[in-house]
Formats: sequence, structure tokens, C-alpha cells
Amino acid sequence: GAGVSQSPSNKVTEKGKDVELRCDPISGHTALYWYRQSLGQGLEFLIYFQGNSAPDKSGLPSDRFSAERTGGSVSTLTIQRTQQEDSAVYLCASSPKGAGGLYEQFFGPGTRLTVL
Amino acid sequence: GENVEQHPSTLSVQEGDSAVIKCTYSDSASNYFPWYKQELGKRPQLIIDIRSNVGEKKDQRIAVTLNKTAKHFSLHITETQPEDSAVYFCAASTGFQKLVFGTGTRLLVSP
Repeated sequence: GAGVSQSPSNKVTEKGKDVELRCDPISGHTALYWYRQSLGQGLEFLIYFQGNSAPDKSGLPSDRFSAERTGGSVSTLTIQRTQQEDSAVYLCASSPKGAGGLYEQFFGPGTRLTVL
Repeated sequence: GENVEQHPSTLSVQEGDSAVIKCTYSDSASNYFPWYKQELGKRPQLIIDIRSNVGEKKDQRIAVTLNKTAKHFSLHITETQPEDSAVYFCAASTGFQKLVFGTGTRLLVSP
């Protein structure tokens, strides 16, 4: 079946502009995560959605970052007034939820954001 | 919050040798420990995971061990092959919460 998809695959923007990154999780997965990976670095947690619960926003680096998830499926990560330090690969992941289980997070291909 | 440390940062082995990557975590409540492999320019992919009620898990040439008392877990790859070359990340989480990743180990397997 289809995996996690993200768009665009690459985004080049000018400093100060706003960008929107999209994630389509695997159908039926109730949990959705956003991570950021800077060049040669590990994955940094940004935000987590689980069903209808309030999202865990504890990883968002500043109030320029926000995310929403509409209808429990597609998610959009928005970065306002982009800065050069925002340049990174933004990865989305989704996982199913089952009673008492701990489930794999399936990653999308990422969006490479370059802020000039 | 949880903090995960991973060593070594780079590891070079000869084909056929074994490779071991070690991680430590800080939150005793963490109960899920996956390992991801990321090839250059590709997305991270799960290769093996272990839950806190298990001490060891093996899948062909890959094994993971967990020591809850010491709060560390390790990835063991036997009979390494050039296609094992990649960056490996360990992670820890509590239930369905966010994964906290280690900083990664770049494994290079030379023919």
C-alpha cells in the first residue's frame, strides 16, 4: 500500500517568506509526527498529533512554527518568516494505534527546505 | 525529558566483521527502543525494535539487547556486508509519544 508522502520534495525560499509543508500519512494511522533533520545531524522532534487529542507541541523551536492536522489525516507544517537556520529536511512519520501496543513510526521521504 | 546518547559517531569495519553500536537513555519510563537505518538521501527505516519487557531480540544478522537497570541498549550486526553501510539511529520513547533519537552512527563496511 501507499506509504507516507510529503510535498514538496524540495523547497527553496527567501529569508522572511512563509512556507507550508504537507504530509499525507498512511491511511488509518492515527498518530502523526513531524521531525527536523539538519545536515549530518540526528532527528529533532517538532510536534505530535494523536487522534483528537491536543497535539504535543513541545518540540517546536519558536512561535514561527505551527502545524495543523485536518480531519485526522493530512497535516501541514507552517514556518513563518523563515530564517536561514530553518534550512533542514523536514520529515513526517505516522503510526497506527492499538490497545496496549507500541508501534513503528513510518517515515515519509522528507521535504528539503533551503532558506536563502 | 528523555536524553539519548549514541556511540560511536563513526564505525569502520571490514566485510564479514561484526559491528556494535551503543546507546544510553535517561528516562526510566521509556519502554520502546527502535533502531533506524538511513541510507544517503533516503528516509529512515526501522530495522529492529525492542520493548522494555524483553532483554534481547534477534532478526537474522541483526540483534538488539536492552539493559533496563543500566538504561542502555545496543545494536549488533554480524557478518557485515557493504550494503549495511549507512547511518544508524537509536531512539527511545514512552508509549505512543515522540521518539527521542540519538545523534547517529555512520557505519562504513569495506569490501
